[in-house]
Amino acid sequence: AQKVTQAQTEISVVEKEDVTLDCVYETRDTTYYLFWYKQPPSGELVFLIRRNSFDEQNEISGRYSWNFQKSTSSFNFTITASQVVDSAVYFCALSPHSSQGGSEKLVFGKGMKLTVNP
Amino acid sequence: DTAVSQTPKYLVTQMGNDKSIKCEQNLGHDTMYWYKQDSKKFLKIMFSYNNKELIINETVPNRFSPKSPDKAHLNLHINSLELGDSAVYFCASSLFSGNTIYFGEGSWLTVV
Repeated sequence: AQKVTQAQTEISVVEKEDVTLDCVYETRDTTYYLFWYKQPPSGELVFLIRRNSFDEQNEISGRYSWNFQKSTSSFNFTITASQVVDSAVYFCALSPHSSQGGSEKLVFGKGMKLTVNP
Repeated sequence: DTAVSQTPKYLVTQMGNDKSIKCEQNLGHDTMYWYKQDSKKFLKIMFSYNNKELIINETVPNRFSPKSPDKAHLNLHINSLELGDSAVYFCASSLFSGNTIYFGEGSWLTVV
């Protein structure tokens, strides 16, 4: 069974602080995908990143960076120099790989609410 | 152009009513989904269709019936609505397994 744990439920920071959102996952699959989604106060779910289990290279996109460590089953997300617009609920998610094609479901963590105060 | 669009965005209805939420994607994806987000923000898959064929039915009550007339559409019909059905329902699509899943804007259903 797959499971995603986001231990932090809520974080509040002041603008320009760096913040790291933790994500730990469990799976017995050797091939899987990890995702981060953002849900701003307006409610939509915005895709941020997808990572294949074979690709442990860290990734940076502007102020966002992701640290994938297979040895600790973690896929942490860091926002550098946070801004008020980063305030949202952030979800980490896991999807197994289907060798037969078709669809596979996303298993979500419970989400972490980030509030960035001016 | 909205990639995954669902209507209505807001729906308030009485217990016992039947209602539908429509979803369309213009991404050319083969796979479509319905996810439910409860009041605690927890997101869970309900259904998945691949090329109009049901792939995943995540032990959802049979009052919920998805219908996929073609691979660009996946509608959700709910019979005999209950208070506990109040939630945000997200439609989504992906090109194929393991590919990125793109979500619609959500449909806020309130049952009173």
